[in-house]
Amino acid sequence: ETGVTQTPRHLVMGMTNKKSLKCEQHLGHNAMYWYKQSAKKPLELMFVYNFKEQTENNSVPSRFSPECPNSSHLFLHLHTLQPEDSALYLCASSQVGSAFSGNTIYFGEGSWLTVV
Amino acid sequence: QQQVKQSPQSLIVQKGGIPIINCAYENTAFDYFPWYQQFPGKGPALLIAIRPDVSEKKEGRFTISFNKSAKQFSLHIMDSQPGDSATYFCAASNRSSASKIIFGSGTRLSIRP
Repeated sequence: ETGVTQTPRHLVMGMTNKKSLKCEQHLGHNAMYWYKQSAKKPLELMFVYNFKEQTENNSVPSRFSPECPNSSHLFLHLHTLQPEDSALYLCASSQVGSAFSGNTIYFGEGSWLTVV
Repeated sequence: QQQVKQSPQSLIVQKGGIPIINCAYENTAFDYFPWYQQFPGKGPALLIAIRPDVSEKKEGRFTISFNKSAKQFSLHIMDSQPGDSATYFCAASNRSSASKIIFGSGTRLSIRP
């Protein structure tokens, strides 16, 4: 148990579907992240939120839409995905600005996405 | 300049051996160097981390060696066990630069019984 909970753990969706991935962190952190992990790119940063504000969008296609309603919750809305988007999507959180944390990132267990 | 280069990509070691995974960075502003361990089906988890004011840090069987002048750091696993088989990621960050952490490309380690 890392303190970062992701749901669902597995998701199969068609290319015309709309689905969402959910992440919740119980660590009191102020930053949250979405990473994509695939065989081609082991840990690819997608989005960063600091204090609910998006601070980074790593050239992610618009078919991925993040939402951060508060500092504990993060969503990734998915629509009209492609088969090459099949991957493990990891949510993470950290405490930014702490002199002691060193930007340690805590990951959830991931959501396995298969696009058919 | 933001990259962290990790090698080897994969590594097979006999039980009891000492696997060594190497990382190199360019950005001298990095001041925090963690290693993450990822088992199949799980997210990466922090294993051990070092700051550049020390040259070595040990936690149990895991040791980080840090060479500031060469801008390199490495992970050593003493008396390796089959349960250490996992993917290992090195990373680097700067505490003052908001939330950016740069990961290496990962090393898939297999410890043979």
